[in-house]
Amino acid sequence: DTGVSQDPRHKITKRGQNVTFRCDPISEHNRLYWYRQTLGQGPEFLTYFQNEAQLEKSRLLSDRFSAERPKGSFSTLEIQRTEQGDSAMYLCASSLSSQNYGYTFGSGTRLTVV
Amino acid sequence: AQTVTQSQPEMSVQEAETVTLSCTYDTSESDYYLFWYKQPPSRQMILVIRQEAYKQQNATENRFSVNFQKAAKSFSLKISDSQLGDAAMYFCVRMEYGNKLVFGAGTILRVKS
Repeated sequence: DTGVSQDPRHKITKRGQNVTFRCDPISEHNRLYWYRQTLGQGPEFLTYFQNEAQLEKSRLLSDRFSAERPKGSFSTLEIQRTEQGDSAMYLCASSLSSQNYGYTFGSGTRLTVV
Repeated sequence: AQTVTQSQPEMSVQEAETVTLSCTYDTSESDYYLFWYKQPPSRQMILVIRQEAYKQQNATENRFSVNFQKAAKSFSLKISDSQLGDAAMYFCVRMEYGNKLVFGAGTILRVKS
């Protein structure tokens, strides 16, 4: 297992288009998290899953955002009708709910909306 | 909102010297976890050190150690014998219920050779 994988690494899209990102967590990790990081800032929580259940969504996650984790494995984060304010790094992380050792993060997907 | 504050946007240190990064936080919980994460220019976030609030003893990981002052809600990171590879953005982080992480704004550490 090589850690948390995110795809794509970079995405440039035109305003108004839809985009989808994928995250593959560490296989034995039952929790998966999405964070958003804008330039020069710390990441902000968006949502998290325990297995396939989405347990919490931040108010930052507008109705244009949707996340899924079918079968409790990989997860997708979709942004519909992208806006320039959506430009950011989207980070995925995974952990075991039974442990509090912190997360393992992926390398992120950098989204640029032009 | 319960926050994490890093008052030093940037710090510099000479190679082989020691530097301390400051952090204060707010919480109403009595038991919680604190972390320092490092984010090098390659952007992948890496866990540096972890502290459990119920433990009095300060955590240490090789050249990295913390000064955890629970009553003052202070959690500083000391890096000894600084190396060029330590150059990165450092985030002070508190874990909330549900294992959500609350990040500070970060401190950019520059290491001079």
